[in-house]
Amino acid sequence: GEDVEQSLFLSVREGDSSVINCTYTDSSSTYLYWYKQEPGAGLQLLTYIFSNMDMKQDQRLTVLLNKKDKHLSLRIADTQTGDSAIYFCAESSSNTGKLIFGQGTTLQVKP
Amino acid sequence: DSGVTQTPKHLITATGQRVTLRCSPRSGDLSVYWYQQSLDQGLQFLIQYYNGEERAKGNILERFSAQQFPDLHSELNLSSLELGDSALYFCASSVGDRNTDTQYFGPGTRLTVL
Repeated sequence: GEDVEQSLFLSVREGDSSVINCTYTDSSSTYLYWYKQEPGAGLQLLTYIFSNMDMKQDQRLTVLLNKKDKHLSLRIADTQTGDSAIYFCAESSSNTGKLIFGQGTTLQVKP
Repeated sequence: DSGVTQTPKHLITATGQRVTLRCSPRSGDLSVYWYQQSLDQGLQFLIQYYNGEERAKGNILERFSAQQFPDLHSELNLSSLELGDSALYFCASSVGDRNTDTQYFGPGTRLTVL
């Protein structure tokens, strides 16, 4: 079946790197996404990676994909207090356009 | 700003009532998706429309229905509301209906059923 798992909470100090992990089950997923949700706000697309890539870098964000282990991670370099939010990993269903989301990881950045 | 708009932002109603949530997709996008975010279920896909036609259905209750109009805006109708329907309802849009088309989300409608 389709399932996405994330750890629920991560706390880091300002200036440190944050790594948020995600595992998924659908090996035929074509794209994997990271969305950010700030309190009371909608979902903001942060980045995505195509399933035939191992890594994608976008400014402070680095996405690593281990397709063999079905493991996805999001690294945020030089984490700032403004990065405090809930981060969702999502896979696109292989046969429809729907996204399957993880439970979300709450990132707390301490000054 | 994703370009996807949703109205209203907040909705408070009573059990047994019916409400309509509205979504306007980004300019040029033909697909609209509806998702429900609740504390116990997380983010769940409800339904997808592409150019006016239903494309995919998720865990959508029979009391809920949706449609996409010729101008591509979409409405989600929720009827016989129950306390458990209280949630944040998101609309997303994408250019096409393939699973490789990136979805952009609106700000959501927060529904509270009392």
